[in-house]
Amino acid sequence: GAVVSQHPSRVICKSGTSVKIECRSLDFQATTMFWYRQFPKKSLMLMATSNEGSKATYEQGVEKDKFLINHASLTLSTLTVTSAHPEDSSFYICSAPATSGSSSGANVLTFGAGSRLTVL
Amino acid sequence: GQNIDQPTEMTATEGAIVQINCTYQTSGFNGLFWYQQHAGEAPTFLSYNVLDGLEEKGRFSSFLSRSKGYSYLLLKELQMKDSASYLCASMDSNYQLIWGAGTKLIIKP
Repeated sequence: GAVVSQHPSRVICKSGTSVKIECRSLDFQATTMFWYRQFPKKSLMLMATSNEGSKATYEQGVEKDKFLINHASLTLSTLTVTSAHPEDSSFYICSAPATSGSSSGANVLTFGAGSRLTVL
Repeated sequence: GQNIDQPTEMTATEGAIVQINCTYQTSGFNGLFWYQQHAGEAPTFLSYNVLDGLEEKGRFSSFLSRSKGYSYLLLKELQMKDSASYLCASMDSNYQLIWGAGTKLIIKP
């Protein structure tokens, strides 16, 4: 089945530094990549939608200068947390629609394994 | 507004059956998804319903009633490894997923 490879799985950084998270689609082309943030015991919060070759669409309240998203190719999307602060500590997850193979032909979101960011 | 409601937590016994309900209100509807998420891990896809009725896949089944804005996930022959959060998500008219907060399922021996 479709796989999205996300790394790093865990990263600890100092306040003020930038952190880059990569998501690669394996064996399929991801023209769209969704970036989520999840707080403990909370649901997924959509941050932005990236589309290959165009600017990302950010959800209301998400700072686009803070969370830089680049979708450079059909298999790679990156999220860079710039000038990270402790409140940016969270679980970040990417996902891309991939054909489910079911009779309905639905595009099912395939998730990366997630990246746990801790900002000291 | 758009809203997904599901219970916060449920407890069941190993070997038993449990039903996790989800009600949704979204702008348009393009299907209802169920995902399983173990603590500290990313969600994994379980099921997708776009037509009314029951979809069975092994020990897991999912049901949808579009007229009622209602779905449930049925887990049979519960195993300890089924302890996880189960996320209900409705896809709206813009093909965006609206997520519920998840139901934490606790399985007891």
